[in-house]
Amino acid sequence: KQEVTQIPAALSVPEGENLVLNCSFTDSAIYNLQWFRQDPGKGLTSLLLIQSSQREQTSGRLNASLDKSSGRSTLYIAASQPGDSATYLCAVLNSGGSNYKLTFGKGTLLTVNP
Amino acid sequence: KAGVTQTPRYLIKTRGQQVTLSCSPISGHRSVSWYQQTPGQGLQFLFEYFSETQRNKGNFPGRFSGRQFSNSRSEMNVSTLELGDSALYLCASSLQTGAGNTIYFGEGSWLTVV
Repeated sequence: KQEVTQIPAALSVPEGENLVLNCSFTDSAIYNLQWFRQDPGKGLTSLLLIQSSQREQTSGRLNASLDKSSGRSTLYIAASQPGDSATYLCAVLNSGGSNYKLTFGKGTLLTVNP
Repeated sequence: KAGVTQTPRYLIKTRGQQVTLSCSPISGHRSVSWYQQTPGQGLQFLFEYFSETQRNKGNFPGRFSGRQFSNSRSEMNVSTLELGDSALYLCASSLQTGAGNTIYFGEGSWLTVV
């Protein structure tokens, strides 16, 4: 059974700082890993998707890496801004029989202080 | 291009009642999945539909059911509501499934059971 863990559960940083969010998963048989952002009371916004054959993806100030063999992914946010404050969730899509569902971590609550 | 649309956004129901939530996927998307989000359990997979067929179901009691129509719109129903069913119910859609398919979420339906 796939399990996804995100560390830390909460993070508070001053504006302008670079930061890394961590995600680990127990079953390396995945199709892809996706990072999402969730603002309070809102749905999920897709940030980056990394296919199992890829090592990293970049979008603007965001860079996500994937090391499938060790079951780890990181989300790097450069030059953080107060508008980046949100909960960040990682999710994996398993290959094989259960490849239609995402397994989510509990998320990292990020606060960027002005 | 319109995103994933969920209705209603907020609703309050009494224990024992039943509720139906609706989801309109992004135009052209054939896969629709449903997730329940609670503070304690995080995001948990309910079920996934593709071309009107349920392909996978999460570990929820039979009170939770769903369906998908020929236009890919989907509904989920919860019968005999319990207090523990209070949650944010999120619908997601994707073009199909597989490694390269980004999954897009709606804003969710907030259900409160009193």
